[in-house]
Amino acid sequence: RKEVEQDPGPFNVPEGATVAFNCTYSNSASQSFFWYRQDCRKEPKLLMSVYSSGNEDGRFTAQLNRASQYISLLIRDSKLSDSATYLCVGGNDYKLSFGAGTTVTVRA
Amino acid sequence: DGGITQSPKYLFRKEGQNVTLSCEQNLNHDAMYWYRQDPGQGLRLIYYSQIVNDFQKGDIAEGYSVSREKKESFPLTVTSAQKNPTAFYLCASRNTGGNYGYTFGSGTRLTVV
Repeated sequence: RKEVEQDPGPFNVPEGATVAFNCTYSNSASQSFFWYRQDCRKEPKLLMSVYSSGNEDGRFTAQLNRASQYISLLIRDSKLSDSATYLCVGGNDYKLSFGAGTTVTVRA
Repeated sequence: DGGITQSPKYLFRKEGQNVTLSCEQNLNHDAMYWYRQDPGQGLRLIYYSQIVNDFQKGDIAEGYSVSREKKESFPLTVTSAQKNPTAFYLCASRNTGGNYGYTFGSGTRLTVV
């Protein structure tokens, strides 16, 4: 079983829509969680950390559910520029594991 | 500006050759990592190093070797024993001891010709 699993999508949404997706993690000892964004043929870039109480950064909201071992990302008021692959990341102090990514396409 | 630099951006390897990918960071990060990404797939960990002169195998270390002689540098050698080396290679660094994410270099695309 992979340490971090994501729905690959794709999620095709119109501009202005809200889109949300989850990822699950298998290691209950994981302490650190992040969402990364990766554009085609580029390196991943940190979108946001995920905190136990949930956190928001502009139009992006991340949640952590330790009981069910999943994290989620919600994007409000989608922009064309939000089209990308979103990588879920979880782990501990010395090693992080990456999901394979969820592809989001925002159409005009 | 602080960052992490990978070179070259594109690399072509002939069958049976060893090639070395460079990774340098000036972020003063303790830990450094090498990942491989294949088309449509996630990142797989090759090697990682938490301190100078120490490194550990990741999930797919066979056919690869690394060194960590300086804090700033973590080169990856793809040896001829790696049978399917064509991939996108990403180097990352990170501070440890807290909730810190990775900073990635811009990657090296390796192709076997």
